[in-house]
Amino acid sequence: EAQVTQNPRYLITVTGKKLTVTCSQNMNHEYMSWYRQDPGLGLRQIYYSMNVEVTDKGDVPEGYKVSRKEKRNFPLILESPSPNQTSLYFCASSFVPLYNEQFFGPGTRLTVL
Amino acid sequence: KQEVTQIPAALSVPEGENLVLNCSFTDSAIYNLQWFRQDPGKGLTSLLLIQSSQREQTSGRLNASLDKSSGRSTLYIAASQPGDSATYLCAVRNNQGGKLIFGQGTELSVKP
Repeated sequence: EAQVTQNPRYLITVTGKKLTVTCSQNMNHEYMSWYRQDPGLGLRQIYYSMNVEVTDKGDVPEGYKVSRKEKRNFPLILESPSPNQTSLYFCASSFVPLYNEQFFGPGTRLTVL
Repeated sequence: KQEVTQIPAALSVPEGENLVLNCSFTDSAIYNLQWFRQDPGKGLTSLLLIQSSQREQTSGRLNASLDKSSGRSTLYIAASQPGDSATYLCAVRNNQGGKLIFGQGTELSVKP
């Protein structure tokens, strides 16, 4: 089944404890992206990647890191999480961003205490 | 900077009604516009994608239109059903292709 998977789905952590949220897709998509969704602010793009070893900042990259060493994986890294990073995070992928629809993962709900 | 606005923020209609959701954007230089559906606690599901050169796209009871010059898109839902209840989001992709800008969504409730 074609899908985007995220792990974990739920995470509660404490300020400053490094964490990684994994994202994997099995559709051989070149493009992958991370978003966060907050009440009243909607969905905002954190980082995106046009292909392996190519990443770029979205609108809210501060406090996050990403890497794209393999085509199928695009992990989101929070080196020192803070409470303002408590949010619902979505990973998405597509073949060619200009012409194809994006497929979204199920989301990761992160709480930073 | 591209800004995307969706009005209304919430909408409640009786079953069977035809309805229109609105999406407006400030920069008309877009590559495409996409409509999504989000159910509570779930991820986003793509509904329709309109390329900048297209005027509309249809899928079943859904029809999305695009007017780049006026910076507007509409999502028309025919003969609404309770199962259509969800939040509908529009998103535009800019000319660079990498960034996707979302509106804040319209929460639709269809009453039986």
